Amino acid sequence: GAGVSQSPSNKVTEKGKDVELRCDPISGHTALYWYRQSLGQGLEFLIYFQGNSAPDKSGLPSDRFSAERTGGSVSTLTIQRTQQEDSAVYLCASSLGRGSGSGNTIYFGEGSWLTVV
Amino acid sequence: AQSVAQPEDQVNVAEGNPLTVKCTYSVSGNPYLFWYVQYPNRGLQFLLKYITGDNLVKGSYGFEAEFNKSQTSFHLKKPSALVSDSALYFCAVNGGTGGYNKLIFGAGTRLAVHP
Repeated sequence: GAGVSQSPSNKVTEKGKDVELRCDPISGHTALYWYRQSLGQGLEFLIYFQGNSAPDKSGLPSDRFSAERTGGSVSTLTIQRTQQEDSAVYLCASSLGRGSGSGNTIYFGEGSWLTVV
Repeated sequence: AQSVAQPEDQVNVAEGNPLTVKCTYSVSGNPYLFWYVQYPNRGLQFLLKYITGDNLVKGSYGFEAEFNKSQTSFHLKKPSALVSDSALYFCAVNGGTGGYNKLIFGAGTRLAVHP
């Protein structure tokens, strides 16, 4: 596609429920990122995928958070047993090659706005 | 550890005046530096980046930024501000010896351009 596509754009869920957020990166981009943007918390790195390499999960805040990337393209971020503090905008991004570490630009999607009530 | 500081929470500028949004960084080795803009209820849009070469980088919408290695700064500038430039601006750093896998973002600076 022309840009990074994320769905759903908005999600309201009850505390304790599981949610799945989907990201479709720019065609041909091998690097994929998930970030979280919370009020007062800025932009927080969650996870990074590069090709077939093991993902960098160092930013995942707890074991309730997981992500996978199937076929080197679409990625799903799953939050289990959601808590109110999970309410945030979840931003997906993609880039060519090894990503920003090689000077490549990271392009962001519009985000999935999650509200846990 | 890599870090980015944006010392101003908000910058207020009159339309037509020059604007500067400040950014300083801390990274081991050679940094790659980026600026992004976020309009209300939207994702981040790439503005410009410094990788190597000329210290003055030109980007989208008339913005530019100057890499200053001695001051470890990468301030965003525009000669003449527009009301439509009002948004949230993020500086980010990557590279060096701290790992290449992610961008580290500053806290963001809200730019308000008044008519």
